[in-house]
Amino acid sequence: EIVLTQSPGTLSLSPGERATLSCRASQSVTNNYLAWYQQKAGQAPRLLIYGASSRATGIPDRFSGSGSGTDFTLTISRLEPEDFAVYYCLQYGSRPLTFGGGTKVEIK
Amino acid sequence: QVQLQESGPGLVKPSGTLSLTCAVSGVSISSGTWWSWVRQPPGKGLEWIGEIDQSGRTNYNPSLKSRVTISADKSKNQFSLELTSVTAADTALYYCARENFGINVWGRGTVVTVSS
Repeated sequence: EIVLTQSPGTLSLSPGERATLSCRASQSVTNNYLAWYQQKAGQAPRLLIYGASSRATGIPDRFSGSGSGTDFTLTISRLEPEDFAVYYCLQYGSRPLTFGGGTKVEIK
Repeated sequence: QVQLQESGPGLVKPSGTLSLTCAVSGVSISSGTWWSWVRQPPGKGLEWIGEIDQSGRTNYNPSLKSRVTISADKSKNQFSLELTSVTAADTALYYCARENFGINVWGRGTVVTVSS
C-alpha cells in the first residue's frame, strides 16, 4: 500500500499569496497517477488536478500540479478568498487507492 | 451529466451491518469504469473503501476487506456497499464516486452513525 504524506498540515496565508502544498509517496506512483482535490466544509471533494499535472475541467489556471515518482506539488499562484479549504492528494495508480492526510489552507 | 446519490439508513447498531446504495444517473454503470465508495469520519480525512467495475470485479481496502462487500445491479443502474460488524469507528460520511482520471464524480454523501 502506498502511503501519501502531505505537508504542511496547515498553511496560513493571505489572499493574493502563493500556496505550495506537498504530497510525498512512500513508493513511486504508477504512471504518476496522482490527483489533487479541494474540499470545503459540508461539500464533497472537487477534483482539481489528475495525472499529476493536468487540470480538471473548469479549474482555474491559478491551480497547477507538478512532480513525478514520489514527490508531487500543488501550487495555487494567487490565493482567492474561495481557495481557503482543505486539499487532499490521491494516488490511483495502484490498489488500494490511498489519500494523503490533507493540508488546510487558512486565512492568515 | 453524471450524478450519484447515496441512500440508506443513517443509524446502525454496533455489531450490525451497514448497507448503502448509490443510484447512478447520466451514464450506465456498465460503461467501462470503476465505481467506488469512500468515507470520511467526522473531522478527519478521506478513506477509500473499495470499488467495482462493469464486470463485477472488486478491489477492497485491506484494512476493511474482511468486512466489506461491494456489488452492482445493472438493471437498476446502481451499486451497493455492505459493511459488517460495525463499531463506532465506522461512523462517517459515506460517498459513492466514479473513477475516471482519479475520482472525478462524487455523490453528496450520506452520514452513517453507529450507535445503540
